[in-house]
Amino acid sequence: ETGVTQSPTHLIKTRGQQVTLRCSSQSGHNTVSWYQQALGQGPQFIFQYYREEENGRGNFPPRFSGLQFPNYSSELNVNALELDDSALYLCASSFFSSRYGYTFGSGTRLTVV
Amino acid sequence: AQKVTQAQTEISVVEKEDVTLDCVYETRDTTYYLFWYKQPPSGELVFLIRRNSFDEQNEISGRYSWNFQKSTSSFNFTITASQVVDSAVYFCALSEEGSSNTGKLIFGQGTTLQVKP
Repeated sequence: ETGVTQSPTHLIKTRGQQVTLRCSSQSGHNTVSWYQQALGQGPQFIFQYYREEENGRGNFPPRFSGLQFPNYSSELNVNALELDDSALYLCASSFFSSRYGYTFGSGTRLTVV
Repeated sequence: AQKVTQAQTEISVVEKEDVTLDCVYETRDTTYYLFWYKQPPSGELVFLIRRNSFDEQNEISGRYSWNFQKSTSSFNFTITASQVVDSAVYFCALSEEGSSNTGKLIFGQGTTLQVKP
């Protein structure tokens, strides 16, 4: 059983650029969530995808968007990067809802300069 | 409002000591789930335990134990005979199962545990 894999592991971007982060969910999981974790903080929920549609969103602006593909993998896109977007971005997969728990990937460390 | 509070920012113990990590939560839902995750320096969140709101039984798994008390809205985590490999950041998290459930996890700020040899 493969876990959640994220790519790339590290990324450096310039303010104003756009970035795409990728996530492959664990086998058998159909739901993907994305979290942003600033240094020294707990992860903050960005949004969740189920059946290729967004079905929940945290307090993040529209320049944070995502996709889920038929194989349940997912992308997180961030436009017009700001310095405050520098963080660890974590992807989590689950089977439908929280009652079954979540499996997290190792994250993508994004640095915006 | 949903909230998770981990009042202990950092804890330092010497190997073999017992240590308890505190977690207090707030929710209006009657059905919810509580989690503990461990985050080593590699960054991955490692799942430790999930508890639903209807199950107040305490749980022991090896050196780990959890004390869930709905009366005080607490879900504390104890490591017995701590080891250097236990050094990490530990997060308590809450997920609600209400009608508008998105399954999102609400995390506390985390407790950094340092176990010294």
